[in-house]
Amino acid sequence: GAVVSQHPSRVICKSGTSVKIECRSLDFQATTMFWYRQFPKKSLMLMATSNEGSKATYEQGVEKDKFLINHASLTLSTLTVTSAHPEDSSFYICSARDLGQGPYEQYFGPGTRLTVT
Amino acid sequence: GESVGLHLPTLSVQEGDNSIINCAYSNSASDYFIWYKQESGKGPQFIIDIRSNMDKRQGQRVTVLLNKTVKHLSLQIAATQPGDSAVYFCAENAYDSYGQNFVFGPGTRLSVLP
Repeated sequence: GAVVSQHPSRVICKSGTSVKIECRSLDFQATTMFWYRQFPKKSLMLMATSNEGSKATYEQGVEKDKFLINHASLTLSTLTVTSAHPEDSSFYICSARDLGQGPYEQYFGPGTRLTVT
Repeated sequence: GESVGLHLPTLSVQEGDNSIINCAYSNSASDYFIWYKQESGKGPQFIIDIRSNMDKRQGQRVTVLLNKTVKHLSLQIAATQPGDSAVYFCAENAYDSYGQNFVFGPGTRLSVLP
């Protein structure tokens, strides 16, 4: 089946620094990738939709200047948390859509746990 | 606004019993639903899906039921096993000006008792 990877799986950074999270579709081309945020014991909240070759579209309330998304190729999207603060600590999950499987198919990565100290 | 919700935040079942996890949705225009399983520290895993033109779909040990009249979705797990312990999310497809995405319910934690 379709595989989506994320790197790193865990990252600890100091407040004020920036952190980049990568999301890769390993065996399919993903024209669309999604970035979610999940707080402990809470559901996934969509942050933004990333389309290859174009600007990401952000959900209401998500700061686009703080959460920079780049989808430079059909297999890679990156999320950069800029000037991270402790409240940015969360579990970030990406998913990728394989259009070859149909418009509804969406495969999730394993997630990246970010801790900002 | 439109949302997907769950009736039960936690569910404990005996190993070997059947589990039923419920989900209520409010967007009558949703035409596709998915159940995901999320184990601790991992990303969601697809379990089973159903389109709105169906009211039941069966997989291996899992069955999803869709009642469009009352906007209710359920996931049934037969002969629940310890490996089924996880948080289960229902999700419905949604459309906005940017295209299609999925809206997730709050999740139900399933605990399987020995």
